Amino acid sequence: DAGVIQSPRHEVTEMGQEVTLRCKPISGHNSLFWYRQTMMRGLELLIYFNNNVPIDDSGMPEDRFSAKMPNASFSTLKIQPSEPRDSAVYFCASSSRTGGMQFFGPGTRLTVL
Amino acid sequence: GENVEQHPSTLSVQEGDSAVIKCTYSDSASNYFPWYKQELGKRPQLIIDIRSNVGEKKDQRIAVTLNKTAKHFSLHITETQPEDSAVYFCAASLSNTDKLIFGTGTRLQVFP
Repeated sequence: DAGVIQSPRHEVTEMGQEVTLRCKPISGHNSLFWYRQTMMRGLELLIYFNNNVPIDDSGMPEDRFSAKMPNASFSTLKIQPSEPRDSAVYFCASSSRTGGMQFFGPGTRLTVL
Repeated sequence: GENVEQHPSTLSVQEGDSAVIKCTYSDSASNYFPWYKQELGKRPQLIIDIRSNVGEKKDQRIAVTLNKTAKHFSLHITETQPEDSAVYFCAASLSNTDKLIFGTGTRLQVFP
């Protein structure tokens, strides 16, 4: 198994641009999580899906952030418009059952200039 | 909601010594407690976990203990090696939810 796959691995963009981050969970896992990691705020859960349905999006910072999971093998996190304070590493993780072990992808390092 | 506190924020030990990292949680309904290791520039990786029906779990040089009454759990690493140097995160999860609340991390440095 390839594990959780994320793309791109690095993204540099200018303020105001739209950014789309992509994630493919481990095959057979039915829960998917988006996290953001910064030095100041640590590891924060942004949103998670169970069986492709958003369950808790209370961590999404503001309306500029949106996430979708159109099918069991793909999810996107979109930021529009991006701002310098969105610079962070964004991790996707997946798990196979409620309250189970979460496995993280390699992350996307986003820099907004 | 759940809140997880982690101490210390940094820990330096000599190779071969033991290291202990402690976490406390606020919600008595939490029942799953994983520990993750994150090396510089890498993803968090699960190293050990414990559920609330167990008091202690061991895996080679790593052990985790849980005190439900006091609402705290600890990670113990024995015979530390330089490759144990990383940031360690504890987390807590409520029963029947997928949500993990992470501690702020402990940067462990093992000097040869």
